[in-house]
Amino acid sequence: DTGVSQDPRHKITKRGQNVTFRCDPISEHNRLYWYRQTLGQGPEFLTYFQNEAQLEKSRLLSDRFSAERPKGSFSTLEIQRTEQGDSAMYLCASSFLGQPQPNTGELFFGEGSRLTVL
Amino acid sequence: SQELEQSPQSLIVQEGKNLTINCTSSKTLYGLYWYKQKYGEGLIFLMMLQKGGEEKSHEKITAKLDEKKQQSSLHITASQPSHAGIYLCGAPNSGGSNYKLTFGKGTLLTVNP
Repeated sequence: DTGVSQDPRHKITKRGQNVTFRCDPISEHNRLYWYRQTLGQGPEFLTYFQNEAQLEKSRLLSDRFSAERPKGSFSTLEIQRTEQGDSAMYLCASSFLGQPQPNTGELFFGEGSRLTVL
Repeated sequence: SQELEQSPQSLIVQEGKNLTINCTSSKTLYGLYWYKQKYGEGLIFLMMLQKGGEEKSHEKITAKLDEKKQQSSLHITASQPSHAGIYLCGAPNSGGSNYKLTFGKGTLLTVNP
């Protein structure tokens, strides 16, 4: 499978616990994005990386959230001291930006990691 | 900030019927992405439009971006149960190479056999 993969697909945790999600992008993609989606809403941007550099973070990303992409390949999103309001689907996406290939602009998403905080 | 409004919010059609979903932006669009999502799953990339007046087709799905670049439509011809799902439009907040997207709330499509 050469698509974007996310792990775990589902996570149930108790309030106050820490959780970590992992995303493996399409191998040649240098950009990686995290989004959050709640029921009945479209995905909302959280943060993105170009290679290992985190270039932008949304105001939605509180201090309890941290994302890393240490070697410019896979990424992790950690939520500390989870709250019930953190319950959502966390989606990862990747794309390619660079030369000499033309930028198609296509952004591919993974299957998501669904978090339920009890 | 940019907002995308999708209409209708939900749609039920009989198999074989044609349908159209619209996506209207509060600002000029620098590009427009269409995705399909099954409940509880990830987003499947359908098409990306960048130029005013652009139209793309894939199998029975056609997407257009109007000349003024503030509205896009997604048209499905001869719908099938496999077309059922949530259709989402997303747009970059600015031009250039930043593909950070703002999404609409989605249109839920049900196709009855």
